[in-house]
Amino acid sequence: EPEVTQTPSHQVTQMGQEVILRCVPISNHLYFYWYRQILGQKVEFLVSFYNNEISEKSEIFDDQFSVERPDGSNFTLKIRSTKLEDSAMYFCASMSGNLDTQYFGPGTRLTVL
Amino acid sequence: QKEVEQNSGPLSVPEGAIASLNCTYSDRGSQSFFWYRQYSGKSPELIMSIYSNGDKEDGRFTAQLNKASQYVSLLIRDSQPSDSATYLCAVGPMNTGFQKLVFGTGTRLLVSP
Repeated sequence: EPEVTQTPSHQVTQMGQEVILRCVPISNHLYFYWYRQILGQKVEFLVSFYNNEISEKSEIFDDQFSVERPDGSNFTLKIRSTKLEDSAMYFCASMSGNLDTQYFGPGTRLTVL
Repeated sequence: QKEVEQNSGPLSVPEGAIASLNCTYSDRGSQSFFWYRQYSGKSPELIMSIYSNGDKEDGRFTAQLNKASQYVSLLIRDSQPSDSATYLCAVGPMNTGFQKLVFGTGTRLLVSP
């Protein structure tokens, strides 16, 4: 069964460093998302991406964040200068069509020291 | 601020019993509703989706939606210890393809053998 994959599973970085989290969505899906979940808190929407552009972003998704789909398969989230409060699980999700179901990847645990 | 509310629990039920999980949402324009299961440290896994008022059954799971009351529930029949997890209610607030999900904090379910 097709699934969303994410790498790395765990990333440890120093505050102020740049990180890139990678996702490979399900191959025929058209809508891509990043969510994050701080330990013990709810899953929060960060950004949605469709037709090679951001369709919506939350207030969390400030200038330090960017997304890219550099080729036909990868979808990346970049955090330019990490802060302690960026420590969280980051989930990529993809969806095939309008009002369909979003399927989540296994997540990347980001730890900022 | 669009909100999704869930009782955080834990909800404790004995094996074989029915577990009833509830969720309310604030945005009357919401069009799609999802229940995800999340094991500790793992990503959300889709259990059920529901779009219309009424009941939808899938195996041991039944989702119920009442848009007038802005209420969605999940019943788990014949609960098993493996059902012990956090159940996340997620709502799609707009009838668009971008479909960002708003999550509740989740209800922790404990099924005792």
